[in-house]
Amino acid sequence: EPEVTQTPSHQVTQMGQEVILRCVPISNHLYFYWYRQILGQKVEFLVSFYNNEISEKSEIFDDQFSVERPDGSNFTLKIRSTKLEDSAMYFCASRDGQATNEKLFFGSGTQLSVL
Amino acid sequence: SQKIEQNSEALNIQEGKTATLTCNYTNYSPAYLQWYRQDPGRGPVFLLLIRENEKEKRKERLKVTFDTTLKQSLFHITASQPADSATYLCARMDSSYKLIFGSGTRLLVRP
Repeated sequence: EPEVTQTPSHQVTQMGQEVILRCVPISNHLYFYWYRQILGQKVEFLVSFYNNEISEKSEIFDDQFSVERPDGSNFTLKIRSTKLEDSAMYFCASRDGQATNEKLFFGSGTQLSVL
Repeated sequence: SQKIEQNSEALNIQEGKTATLTCNYTNYSPAYLQWYRQDPGRGPVFLLLIRENEKEKRKERLKVTFDTTLKQSLFHITASQPADSATYLCARMDSSYKLIFGSGTRLLVRP
């Protein structure tokens, strides 16, 4: 079965450094998402992306965050200057966009630790 | 505000019993609800979707119900197994096609 792949699985960085989290969504999907989950908390929406632009972003997704689809396969999340509170598991997800198929496919996540 | 809530943080049952998990929603009427499974350190995996005009949906040992009067969905796992131990998430998709998750219920099935 096709799957969403994320790299790296773990990322450790110093506060203030930039990180890029990478995702390869399922190839024929049209909608892309980033979610995050702080340890012990719920899965939270960060941003949705469709037709090469952001569809919606949450309050968490401030100016330090950006997303990009640099080519036909990759979808990246960049955090420009990481903070301690950015430590979380980040999940990429995709959806095929058919009106009758609303389920999301999630990757295995990138565990980001900001020291 | 529109809320989706899973009031039980954890559920502990004996193998072979039926697990029943609850999802409540307030201040809106979703056209459908989704259920996902999440294992530790992994992303959510889609299990079932139930629409408001469907009272019940089944998939193998899983059953989901949708009660628009009670504003509630119930998720059942029959003949539970230790391998069913995971966190189960209820979710709704809003009008902008983003998924909003409940806080999840952690299920532990004891052998």
